[in-house]
Amino acid sequence: EVQLVESGGVLVKPGGTLTISCAASGFTFSTYAMAWVRQAPGKGLEWVSVISSSSGTTHYADSVKGRFTTSRDNSRNVVSLRMASLRPEDTGVYYCARDSDVVAATFYDWGQGTLVTVS
Amino acid sequence: DIQMTQSPYYLSASIGDRVTITCRASQTIDKYVNWYQHTPGKAPRLLIYAASNFQGVVPSRFSGNGSGTEFTLSISSLQPEDFASYYCQQSYDTPFTFGPGTKVDLK
Repeated sequence: EVQLVESGGVLVKPGGTLTISCAASGFTFSTYAMAWVRQAPGKGLEWVSVISSSSGTTHYADSVKGRFTTSRDNSRNVVSLRMASLRPEDTGVYYCARDSDVVAATFYDWGQGTLVTVS
Repeated sequence: DIQMTQSPYYLSASIGDRVTITCRASQTIDKYVNWYQHTPGKAPRLLIYAASNFQGVVPSRFSGNGSGTEFTLSISSLQPEDFASYYCQQSYDTPFTFGPGTKVDLK
């Protein structure tokens, strides 16, 4: 069974930096692209970033480009999102999701999310 | 960037009703549309990928259709567990945008 468990969400001040992580199990992590999707309070889903299986390709939403960096450690089955220059509008639940064996932007499995509050 | 719109934003329906949600893309995207169901407090769930393909064990009352710029998600007979928000998302090109969502509520 695929399991994705996010962690690291906390209260952080505007302008601050935070790294959240997602621990994956139940599948061959190193062969799948991974993504981050967020949901601000009372709003809809917003795609944030995607990283290919080998880390060779990354894509970001315009709203986070230059501030957020996604990375992965295939030896530990972990994908991370480093968030810098945080703004109040970055507040929300951050979900990690499993994509396909290539970057297909189709999110087959999701974690329960971790809450990031910028205030 | 490709913009995704959905209609209606809010849908009030009864158990057993047939409902249809429409999603439109700002440019042609072939069949590169996915549909997700999201219930508050739970992880989002992929229902349909590539416009009309079921993901996993999705009840047959759900169906997806469309290509180009217009897509639909239909539920043939609404069940209690279907009251949730539904999002379309384009996987044609980055940024991989979601629609604003449609909340299906009990009338």
